[in-house]
Amino acid sequence: GQNIDQPTEMTATEGAIVQINCTYQTSGFNGLFWYQQHAGEAPTFLSYNVLDGLEEKGRFSSFLSRSKGYSYLLLKELQMKDSASYLCAVMDSNYQLIWGAGTKLIIKP
Amino acid sequence: DTAVSQTPKYLVTQMGNDKSIKCEQNLGHDTMYWYKQDSKKFLKIMFSYNNKELIINETVPNRFSPKSPDKAHLNLHINSLELGDSAVYFCASSQGSRDTGELFFGEGSRLTVL
Repeated sequence: GQNIDQPTEMTATEGAIVQINCTYQTSGFNGLFWYQQHAGEAPTFLSYNVLDGLEEKGRFSSFLSRSKGYSYLLLKELQMKDSASYLCAVMDSNYQLIWGAGTKLIIKP
Repeated sequence: DTAVSQTPKYLVTQMGNDKSIKCEQNLGHDTMYWYKQDSKKFLKIMFSYNNKELIINETVPNRFSPKSPDKAHLNLHINSLELGDSAVYFCASSQGSRDTGELFFGEGSRLTVL
């Protein structure tokens, strides 16, 4: 079966760095997405990786290793507004998105 | 200008009733989706339409019937509502069904069945 695993919840301190991991097992691979979802709001797109390596976008970076079925989202200089759920999703060979349950990130002052 | 808009945002109704949620996108995208997000926060695909044609129909009770009058609209009608239907329903769109671009989500419609 197809599976996306990510931690349920993480806590970090304002100004620090946090890494949210995602491992996947899917039928084929057409890319991996990270979305941010604030409580009570819609998910919004953060990043897309299809090749191995690190993609940097401001304070957020996303890494992919296809051979390991592994990705992480790195958030630097954490701000209180970064408190949200972070959803990992993989597009399989049929171009269907398989979603993880999300990681709730709690930022403490 | 809202890219993907869905109405209503909140819906409270009794078991056994029928209700509809409407969705419209003004992005010119070809593909639209309905997702269900339950209390455990899993996003589950329900339906996907590409240019008014149904392309994904996951294991969803036939009480749920999507309708796409044109590629900019995808509505969801639910018959004989049950307690387990309580969830947030998100409409989304993307450029194409085989597109690896991002999904644009509506704000969600929170359905509570009493």
